[in-house]
Amino acid sequence: DAGVTQSPTHLIKTRGQQVTLRCSPISGHKSVSWYQQVLGQGPQFIFQYYEKEERGRGNFPDRFSARQFPNYSSELNVNALLLGDSALYLCASSLAGQGRNGYTFGSGTRLTVV
Amino acid sequence: RKEVEQDPGPFNVPEGATVAFNCTYSNSASQSFFWYRQDCRKEPKLLMSVYSSGNEDGRFTAQLNRASQYISLLIRDSKLSDSATYLCVVIPNAGGTSYGKLTFGQGTILTVHP
Repeated sequence: DAGVTQSPTHLIKTRGQQVTLRCSPISGHKSVSWYQQVLGQGPQFIFQYYEKEERGRGNFPDRFSARQFPNYSSELNVNALLLGDSALYLCASSLAGQGRNGYTFGSGTRLTVV
Repeated sequence: RKEVEQDPGPFNVPEGATVAFNCTYSNSASQSFFWYRQDCRKEPKLLMSVYSSGNEDGRFTAQLNRASQYISLLIRDSKLSDSATYLCVVIPNAGGTSYGKLTFGQGTILTVHP
C-alpha cells in the first residue's frame, strides 16, 4: 500500500510568487494535516482537514490556504512568498480527525524561496 | 513558555549506552502523546505512543506523568542506527482550532558512536 505521497519533492520559487503543494493520504484516511518545518525546529501546525472541512488552523498568515478534495487528497497554497517561507512542508494523514493513533507523514516538499 | 519543551541536547553516546530524553508540556488538557523519530532530511516517523501506565517496545520505554506534565523516552543498549532527532509530540486538546493539531518539541539530536 502506498503511504502518504507529496509532490513535488523539491521546489524553488522567487519572492512574491505563489506555490501549490499536493498531498495524497493513505488509502482510507480521511484526515490530512499540513506542517511547516524550518531547519533546526520541530514541525509547526498549519492546517488540518477532516472529511473535506477545515478543522484546525495554526498561527500562519492568510497567505496560507488549503483545501481537501472528495478523494481526501489535499493542496496547500502559499501566496506572495517570502524568504522566510523556505522550509520543509510536511503532510500527515490519519484515519480519524483526532489522530489518537498517531499520524503518518509524507516525505515532504522542500521549498526554497530566493 | 513553549507548549512542548524538550531537553536541548545534543546527546552523544557510545554504542550500548542507555540514554533518556525528557519533555514537558504546558496544556494540562492534552490528551495524546507520542515520540517521533526523524532522520536527517527525512520525514518524522512514529516511534511510539505514550500512555499513563508506561509502555515498552523492545529497547524503548516511554513514560507519561500527567500530574507533572512530563514525558520521557528511555533507550537501552543504544545502536548506531538509533542516531536521529527525537521529537516529543502532544495533541493539546479535544477541539477548537487545535483540533487534531500535533504540537512538536524542537527535537533532541542523538548521535550514537562506535
